[in-house]
Amino acid sequence: GQQVMQIPQYQHVQEGEDFTTYCNSSTTLSNIQWYKQRPGGHPVFLIQLVKSGEVKKQKRLTFQFGEAKKNSSLHITATQTTDVGTYFCAHLRVGGSNYKLTFGKGTLLTVNP
Amino acid sequence: DADVTQTPRNRITKTGKRIMLECSQTKGHDRMYWYRQDPGLGLRLIYYSFDVKDINKGEISDGYSVSRQAQAKFSLSLESAIPNQTALYFCATSDFWETGSTDTQYFGPGTRLTVL
Repeated sequence: GQQVMQIPQYQHVQEGEDFTTYCNSSTTLSNIQWYKQRPGGHPVFLIQLVKSGEVKKQKRLTFQFGEAKKNSSLHITATQTTDVGTYFCAHLRVGGSNYKLTFGKGTLLTVNP
Repeated sequence: DADVTQTPRNRITKTGKRIMLECSQTKGHDRMYWYRQDPGLGLRLIYYSFDVKDINKGEISDGYSVSRQAQAKFSLSLESAIPNQTALYFCATSDFWETGSTDTQYFGPGTRLTVL
C-alpha cells in the first residue's frame, strides 16, 4: 500500500535553532496532513495541504507540499521548548467505501533550553 | 481534545481476558476511529465507522472487534487479550468535507493498555 516515509526519526536541537522534518512518498499524494503529539499527549491536527507547491505558515511553522506532490516538509524557525513533541505526516486516501489514512512514523523533536 | 473522551485511561490485564475500551464524543461527528500507537511504528488504524450502521476494518483489525452504540459512542473490544496488544490506543472523530477532501482527525486522550 501507499506509504509515507518520514525523516529524520529523531532530532535534537538547541533552543533557537531551526528544525525541519520531511515526509516522502514514491507515489503522488492527493493531500498531506501534519499532526503534533506532545509527550504523554495525543495527536493534534496542524494543517492539511492539497495543492502542488503549496506553502502555508502558522507563526514559526512553515509547511510545504512538493511540486510533484510526492513530498512535504514542516519547518520550525527558532525552536522553543514548547515545540517539543513528535510530528507526524499523514496521507488520506478516499475512494468509494475505501478509506485509508496512513501516518508516517513521526519525527521526535527535543529542544535543549 | 476534551470533546473526545476515553475510558479507562490506563488498564493492566492478563493474557486471555476480554477487554473493552470506550470512547465518547460531544463533537457531533458521524465518523469515529480506533488507532493503536506503538513506539517507532506511528499510528495504525484498527477499525472505523462512518455512521451508526457502518463498521469497517482498518489496517490491523485481527484480534479486535468494535461496536457503534450511538453516534457519540464507539467501543473497542479485545476478545482474548495477548501481550503484543500492549499499546497506546486512541479514539478519534472526524467530520469529512467533500470539498478539498478534508478529514481532520480529533483524537481522544488515549488508553494505555498493558497485557501481561
